[in-house]
Amino acid sequence: GNSVTQMEGPVTLSEEAFLTINCTYTATGYPSLFWYVQYPGEGLQLLLKATKADDKGSNKGFEATYRKETTSFHLEKGSVQVSDSAVYFCALSHIGNEKLTFGTGTRLTIIP
Amino acid sequence: DAGVTQSPTHLIKTRGQQVTLRCSPKSGHDTVSWYQQALGQGPQFIFQYYEEEERQRGNFPDRFSGHQFPNYSSELNVNALLLGDSALYLCASSPGQGAGETQYFGPGTRLLVL
Repeated sequence: GNSVTQMEGPVTLSEEAFLTINCTYTATGYPSLFWYVQYPGEGLQLLLKATKADDKGSNKGFEATYRKETTSFHLEKGSVQVSDSAVYFCALSHIGNEKLTFGTGTRLTIIP
Repeated sequence: DAGVTQSPTHLIKTRGQQVTLRCSPKSGHDTVSWYQQALGQGPQFIFQYYEEEERQRGNFPDRFSGHQFPNYSSELNVNALLLGDSALYLCASSPGQGAGETQYFGPGTRLLVL
């Protein structure tokens, strides 16, 4: 079956530090890959997505590249801000099947 | 344009009771999915509704049932509540079955079973 594995959290960084949150997946075929963010007390918001190998999704300074050879979709940001503090979820789905399979989430805290 | 809305925001029930949660999809969306998010975990897929029918179902018992109305809004019903049903229940909508359509999530209903 499908599964998503995220790096263990929580992650604490200083403002302006470089961020990487690792995500690897197991799936048949060619899934679409997503990063969702959950701010305190809120639902999930789509941060970025990629639908085929070597695609790069980007939004709000965050980037992730769909790596088929390593089955990975790591999230990166060059300079984090306090407002980036949230829980980040990596997820996948297949074309024609919109069921999302999520990782366990990584809690990110940015210190001023 | 209103996004996905859910009601109620919070709910407290006791074991054995039944609960109904409601969801209104984003305008123009006709597919609704429900997820259960236990504390500290990622969301788990419960089921998906399209054209008023259950199209897919995750690994949840029959105590979990749902419905979709002609206006695409949806309900999630849980019977015979267990303590382990305490979670955040998320509704997501998307514009139809298709190629990697993005799902938009509501703020969730937090259910506490005592």
